[in-house]
Amino acid sequence: EAQVTQNPRYLITVTGKKLTVTCSQNMNHEYMSWYRQDPGLGLRQIYYSMNVEVTDKGDVPEGYKVSRKEKRNFPLILESPSPNQTSLYFCASSFLGSNQPQHFGDGTRLSIL
Amino acid sequence: AQKITQTQPGMFVQEKEAVTLDCTYDTSDPSYGLFWYKQPSSGEMIFLIYQGSYDQQNATEGRYSLNFQKARKSANLVISASQLGDSAMYFCAMREATAAGTASKLTFGTGTRLQVTL
Repeated sequence: EAQVTQNPRYLITVTGKKLTVTCSQNMNHEYMSWYRQDPGLGLRQIYYSMNVEVTDKGDVPEGYKVSRKEKRNFPLILESPSPNQTSLYFCASSFLGSNQPQHFGDGTRLSIL
Repeated sequence: AQKITQTQPGMFVQEKEAVTLDCTYDTSDPSYGLFWYKQPSSGEMIFLIYQGSYDQQNATEGRYSLNFQKARKSANLVISASQLGDSAMYFCAMREATAAGTASKLTFGTGTRLQVTL
């Protein structure tokens, strides 16, 4: 089954404790992206990648890191999480092209205390 | 400047009626794609329908259709024969083409919460 898999689905942690949210897709998509969703703000892009070893900042990259060592994986790293990073996070992937819909993972709800 | 504007934070519709969710966009790029996503209370993002900037016909997918008015830069989603399961958050999004021929990020509106009533 074609899918984008994120883990964990839920995480409660404390300020400053490094964490990684994994994302994997099995559709051979070149493009992968991370979004955060906050009430009243819609989805905002954190980072994206158009290919292996090619990553770039989105609209709200501060406090996050990503890597793209393999085509299928695009982990999101919070080196020193803070409470303002409490949010619902989505990983998405697609083929390149403005006519390509992005396929989303089920989301990761992060709470930073 | 806001690239995608959804002016209806919430909408109500009776079961079996049709409803239109508004979306306007802003771009100077001649090549772009417009998308609608549904987010039920369970949280996942479900792709509904796509409209390309060069498409002559309005897109349709089952009970979903897109009323695309290019000159007005609007891409309204029409849901016909509403069902209780249509109650969800709906997001309009746009993807522009880059100079390299690939696609930029997906830019989202703030969403419209639709509630279908009996």
